[in-house]
Amino acid sequence: GENVEQHPSTLSVQEGDSAVIKCTYSDSASNYFPWYKQELGKRPQLIIDIRSNVGEKKDQRIAVTLNKTAKHFSLHITETQPEDSAVYFCAASKPGAQKLVFGQGTRLTINP
Amino acid sequence: DSGVTQTPKHLITATGQRVTLRCSPRSGDLSVYWYQQSLDQGLQFLIQYYNGEERAKGNILERFSAQQFPDLHSELNLSSLELGDSALYFCASSSQLAGASYNEQFFGPGTRLTVL
Repeated sequence: GENVEQHPSTLSVQEGDSAVIKCTYSDSASNYFPWYKQELGKRPQLIIDIRSNVGEKKDQRIAVTLNKTAKHFSLHITETQPEDSAVYFCAASKPGAQKLVFGQGTRLTINP
Repeated sequence: DSGVTQTPKHLITATGQRVTLRCSPRSGDLSVYWYQQSLDQGLQFLIQYYNGEERAKGNILERFSAQQFPDLHSELNLSSLELGDSALYFCASSSQLAGASYNEQFFGPGTRLTVL
């Protein structure tokens, strides 16, 4: 079945710097790659997603890139702010309303 | 607010007991997914229902079961509870039809289960 690996498991950056989180997936049939942000004790919130027919998507300070050949995708956060501190999860799914397979999560800490 | 609701927010019970967690999907969503998140762990897929029918199973224990009712709300039943079942249980819903290409899921606030 699908397997999603996420790195790093923890990431600490200075406020204003950029943060990059990377994921690889195993099933080439996967076509949808969302990113979720989860604050302590709260629900995962969808922050951005990318579909297999595009290579990059941007939403203000957040961008995601997808390399289908290498089967990896990345989350980029620019001009980081303290409120960006959270756990971020990548996920992948296949066509047909399939389950999401999540990466292990990255705990991002923004240092003031 | 995602539009997905879950009750109760917190549940404290003893080993060996049985509990029921409830989820109401976003209006119009046909798919409901259940996930388990143990302390400092990732999200593990348990089971999916689509329009009342079981569609996919993940790492769900035999002591656990679920169903989706005609009004599309879903219940996750956990029985013979063990200490290791303590976790956050999330449901998510999706509006995508079975044959659709993409699967955008929205999560509810979760139920925190503590087994003592």
